[in-house]
Amino acid sequence: QSALTQPASVSGSPGQSITISCTGTSSDVGGYNYVSWYQQHPGKAPKLMIYDVTNRPSGVSNRFSGSKSGNTASLTISGLQAEDEADYYCNSYTSSSTWVFGGGTKLTVL
Amino acid sequence: EVQLVESGGGLVQPGGSLRLSCATSGFTFRDYWMLWVRQGPGKGLVWVSRIDSDGISTIYADSVKGRFTISRDNAKNTLFLQMNSLRVEDTAVYYCVRATRYWFDPWGQGTLVTVSS
Repeated sequence: QSALTQPASVSGSPGQSITISCTGTSSDVGGYNYVSWYQQHPGKAPKLMIYDVTNRPSGVSNRFSGSKSGNTASLTISGLQAEDEADYYCNSYTSSSTWVFGGGTKLTVL
Repeated sequence: EVQLVESGGGLVQPGGSLRLSCATSGFTFRDYWMLWVRQGPGKGLVWVSRIDSDGISTIYADSVKGRFTISRDNAKNTLFLQMNSLRVEDTAVYYCVRATRYWFDPWGQGTLVTVSS
């Protein structure tokens, strides 16, 4: 199972919006509404930010939103803040009853 | 508060074995699927294995199939990962994770496994 494709890095200034893409196939991202997103700060465990493509867990800022079109899912962060600087990973359930992560995207807040 | 605490990591030679444990608390362990996810040094997250709530159904990533075994003790609220025939490329932080349907939350703090001679 190949990793989902994410940009290696994205950046934005405080207050701006950024979008991170996550491209898979019809056997994973495109085939199921089971895409989730995780935030990881250096040396820390990942944290769930979005589940089932668009849903935000309790406690996660509404500045984070998710969407999907075809085989590509996206995470959008609006009103960028310094604390958003972290690595972000997408994840999808697959037709093999397994899961696959994206390669990760490093977000830099300028 | 939901807590997942991994232990059992360490340094092991190639070809060796190691057993990871994950002690859980704060939720009804027997109601949830559980997983292991690993992260190599400076690398991304990789899903390793999943076990269903009863411990009957398991599934593995191709990279560990036949070498790793996931299990659980619902009476002791503990998840395990038996790792045999370890390879240098298995070096990683291993995270214990609770699965709710198809997403992962929360994650343990991780335990480091280093495979080196």
